[in-house]
Amino acid sequence: AQSVTQLDSQVPVFEEAPVELRCNYSSSVSVYLFWYVQYPNQGLQLLLKYLSGSTLVKGINGFEAEFNKSQTSFHLRKPSVHISDTAEYFCAVSYNDMRFGAGTRLTVKP
Amino acid sequence: EAGVTQFPSHSVIEKGQTVTLRCDPISGHDNLYWYRRVMGKEIKFLLHFVKESKQDESGMPNNRFLAERTGGTYSTLKVQPAELEDSGVYFCASNPSGAKNIQYFGAGTRLSVL
Repeated sequence: AQSVTQLDSQVPVFEEAPVELRCNYSSSVSVYLFWYVQYPNQGLQLLLKYLSGSTLVKGINGFEAEFNKSQTSFHLRKPSVHISDTAEYFCAVSYNDMRFGAGTRLTVKP
Repeated sequence: EAGVTQFPSHSVIEKGQTVTLRCDPISGHDNLYWYRRVMGKEIKFLLHFVKESKQDESGMPNNRFLAERTGGTYSTLKVQPAELEDSGVYFCASNPSGAKNIQYFGAGTRLSVL
């Protein structure tokens, strides 16, 4: 069975600072990895995905994530955040079904 | 093209009452999923429809929950009778056949059981 751990429940940062949201997963088989974002009062929106190929994946809004098989991690990064990036971010792993982490609430302060 | 839509966006009911949540998937999507997020916890899978058939309902918490997808279009999730621990956000997602791993989500229904 797969499981996902998001190591930080809340991450406060100042505008234009870099940010990393951490995600570790466990699985006995190869899986697909995703990051979703939920802005206030909206649904879950796909930020980026890793299915195969290059381990560095670029997504929307300047976010990127790196798949590290040896460390079973898929951390999300952005070099310079904006106020509009304030949202909740979910890491997910998929094989036969999709498993989510508990979410990380990113708050960007001016 | 309309995305996945869910109705209502928020429902407040008393313990023991019945509530029905609705999900309209993206047109043409055969796969429809229900998930639930209890306050502060992870989003958990409830069940998966392929057209009108239940492919996997292993995540349904108990028999107070009933999901249907008559005609293979929209789906309903009924909770009867509702208990306090049913409070949370219920998400619906859909995707077409052959794209089982990338799911498109609705905005969710926030259910508050008092």
